[in-house]
Amino acid sequence: RKEVEQDPGPFNVPEGATVAFNCTYSNSASQSFFWYRQDCRKEPKLLMSVYSSGNEDGRFTAQLNRASQYISLLIRDSKLSDSATYLCVVGGMDTGRRALTFGSGTRLQVQP
Amino acid sequence: EPEVTQTPSHQVTQMGQEVILRCVPISNHLYFYWYRQILGQKVEFLVSFYNNEISEKSEIFDDQFSVERPDGSNFTLKIRSTKLEDSAMYFCASSPLAGVDEQFFGPGTRLTVL
Repeated sequence: RKEVEQDPGPFNVPEGATVAFNCTYSNSASQSFFWYRQDCRKEPKLLMSVYSSGNEDGRFTAQLNRASQYISLLIRDSKLSDSATYLCVVGGMDTGRRALTFGSGTRLQVQP
Repeated sequence: EPEVTQTPSHQVTQMGQEVILRCVPISNHLYFYWYRQILGQKVEFLVSFYNNEISEKSEIFDDQFSVERPDGSNFTLKIRSTKLEDSAMYFCASSPLAGVDEQFFGPGTRLTVL
């Protein structure tokens, strides 16, 4: 089983749509959770950390379900500029380990 | 806003040659990392570095690889004898010591081994 698993997409949505991405992770000892976005041939950019209580940043909402080992990202009112690959990232597999484990990413294409 | 910088942006080398990739982490950060991404594949962890020593490394980071912080600002990745399969994008990242280990990535160096 992959350590961090995501649907590769692509998700093709019209501007203004709401889109949700899901991710599962295999190691229940994981300590930290993130969503990064990556544009073509660019570096991953931190979108948001994900907390058990859920968190929101403008149009973006992230949720974490530790019992199911499941992370989600919801994007409301999609913009053309949201087109990118969204990377589910898990860290701290064991105490003191800071290596991040990346999923393969879900590609989003927002169309006019 | 402070950011991680990397040089060069693109490095082309012959198989068997040594390459050094350079990074300047964010100035008040204390943890430094190298990751790589082979074209079309996911980002993979190579090594983390704290307090002038390696704190963690992956199976990819074998004896051909080394890291160094030669001065107060630079962080380097050396590949001693490059192989074709080392062709990838190499990302440097840094994070502050305290709090959540959010890592901030540089723009990457594209390494092409011929």
